[in-house]
Amino acid sequence: KQEVTQIPAALSVPEGENLVLNCSFTDSAIYNLQWFRQDPGKGLTSLLLIQSSQREQTSGRLNASLDKSSGRSTLYIAASQPGDSATYLCAVNGETSGSRLTFGEGTQLTVNP
Amino acid sequence: GAGVSQSPSNKVTEKGKDVELRCDPISGHTALYWYRQSLGQGLEFLIYFQGNSAPDKSGLPSDRFSAERTGGSVSTLTIQRTQQEDSAVYLCASSPRGLAGTDTQYFGPGTRLTVL
Repeated sequence: KQEVTQIPAALSVPEGENLVLNCSFTDSAIYNLQWFRQDPGKGLTSLLLIQSSQREQTSGRLNASLDKSSGRSTLYIAASQPGDSATYLCAVNGETSGSRLTFGEGTQLTVNP
Repeated sequence: GAGVSQSPSNKVTEKGKDVELRCDPISGHTALYWYRQSLGQGLEFLIYFQGNSAPDKSGLPSDRFSAERTGGSVSTLTIQRTQQEDSAVYLCASSPRGLAGTDTQYFGPGTRLTVL
């Protein structure tokens, strides 16, 4: 059974700092990995999707990497801003799980002004 | 266009009552998913629809839970005889084709269910 773990569970940084969020998964047979953002009381917003054949994806100040063989992904946020404060979730679409996503429990990020 | 919408946004019910949660997917999306997010359990898959059919309902936690989709659009998740452990945020998502490994899932804002 696929398990997804995110470290750290919570992170507090001063504005302007670069930071890395970590995600690991136990079964490397995946189609893709997605990073989502969730604001309090809101749904999930997709940030980046990395296909299993890709090593990284970039969108603005966000960069996500994928090392499928070692079961790891990182989300790099450059020059963090208070508006980046949210919970970040990673999710994998496993080859044996159809279209379903398996989520980690998230990293709660606070960026202090 | 409009995103995924869910109603109600909040629902408080008494133990033993039945509840219905509604999801309106993005127009034209053939695939629809229900997930549940509860404290200590993270976000868990419940059921997946391709059109009006549910090829994967393996995440439904008990036979008190059921879901249907009509017209390839709106879906309703029904929980019968609610229990306190059913309290959670129920999230709906849709994707264009539901093809494993290729689609991005777009999530609604969720319905927060509280069972007293």
